Amino acid sequence: AAGVIQSPRHLIKEKRETATLKCYPIPRHDTVYWYQQGPGQDPQFLISFYEKMQSDKGSIPDRFSAQQFSDYHSELNMSSLELGDSALYFCASSLDLRPTEAFFGQGTRLTVV
Amino acid sequence: AQSVTQPDIHITVSEGASLELRCNYSYGATPYLFWYVQSPGQGLQLLLKYFSGDTLVQGIKGFEAEFKRSQSSFNLRKPSVHWSDAAEYFCAVKKAAGNKLTFGGGTRVLVKP
Repeated sequence: AAGVIQSPRHLIKEKRETATLKCYPIPRHDTVYWYQQGPGQDPQFLISFYEKMQSDKGSIPDRFSAQQFSDYHSELNMSSLELGDSALYFCASSLDLRPTEAFFGQGTRLTVV
Repeated sequence: AQSVTQPDIHITVSEGASLELRCNYSYGATPYLFWYVQSPGQGLQLLLKYFSGDTLVQGIKGFEAEFKRSQSSFNLRKPSVHWSDAAEYFCAVKKAAGNKLTFGGGTRVLVKP
């Protein structure tokens, strides 16, 4: 069965650079979520989209922005990167806002040097 | 705001022994409850979930969890642990409305031969 695809799997950037993470949800899923997991931390909710509109917002820095496109894939744009942005970034998808489970991708490991 | 507490940061168990991971939540109403497992460098895999109905839920890989409203708990159990169960386990809660998951701090399980 198709799963959530995230690219790239690994990314190394320098401070003050920009990074773009991509997420391709499971086919027919219309809701996408982004989570950030720092080293040794639990995942923290950043932002979610339902039908291409932002549906919920968590602890996402102003330097970050995200959107969901017409094909339901999502991109997380991160600017002015800081060392503290180094983390594993997960995308998850689900089918509408009913309380079904969210399926997680394998994550993108971002390292800022 | 909802919160999730996993009191045990690390648990070491012998292969073949039973395992119980504790999870307590704080929320005004009955939330939707989840257990996820994360192997090193991997994404989050859903083990089981509780929305309503029977308070004992069965999941994948031989795991089960019991929802106890009076104790605000949703503890995860497995009768006989396998070496492949070594991983980090996250309890998560979600409100009925909205799609944000709030995770506990995680419990790392080590399995001794």
